[in-house]
Amino acid sequence: NAGVMQNPRHLVRRRGQEARLRCSPMKGHSHVYWYRQLPEEGLKFMVYLQKENIIDESGMPKERFSAEFPKEGPSILRIQQVVRGDSAAYFCASRAGNEQFFGPGTRLTVL
Amino acid sequence: KNQVEQSPQSLIILEGKNCTLQCNYTVSPFSNLRWYKQDTGRGPVSLTIMTFSENTKSNGRYTATLDADTKQSSLHITASQLSDSASYICVVSANGATNKLIFGTGTLLAVQP
Repeated sequence: NAGVMQNPRHLVRRRGQEARLRCSPMKGHSHVYWYRQLPEEGLKFMVYLQKENIIDESGMPKERFSAEFPKEGPSILRIQQVVRGDSAAYFCASRAGNEQFFGPGTRLTVL
Repeated sequence: KNQVEQSPQSLIILEGKNCTLQCNYTVSPFSNLRWYKQDTGRGPVSLTIMTFSENTKSNGRYTATLDADTKQSSLHITASQLSDSASYICVVSANGATNKLIFGTGTLLAVQP
């Protein structure tokens, strides 16, 4: 029973490029959360999705960031026109009941 | 403003010793409090979850306490091992349908031989 999968584990982008981060929740889980961890800071909530629906995106920047969780396939966090300040670890978690299970994260570096 | 604060920021102890990490929160309305362990380069892994009515919960050598009146929690690690070296994060969930988590910045624990 595989845990939460994220890929890529490491992603390097130049300023202005697009970054696509993928998250496959645990089998049977239909709730996904995305968190961002800036260097030397705690994780911060970005967005909460159920299959085909965005439930809460109050933590996501209004511009350049978007997220989706289609009926089939992984959840995608998309960052357009990346800037150096987007460099961070991005974690997703899938939920069962009251528990959230975290993936290993994607470390994004913007050059 | 919903906040979770932890102390100390970092801690060094010798293998076999005990230690206690602290957490204060100002999250309202409160749903539950969790302690996570995060190894370097990995995602957080849950150690304990406590609701309003629970005062203490153990998971092996980890024991968490919760005082909902003073909004404080502690994580006690007994007989530390080198593998306990990690960041320990206090996380509070606000009451609501989204189960959104509010993270502290963590205590970085280093266990030395």
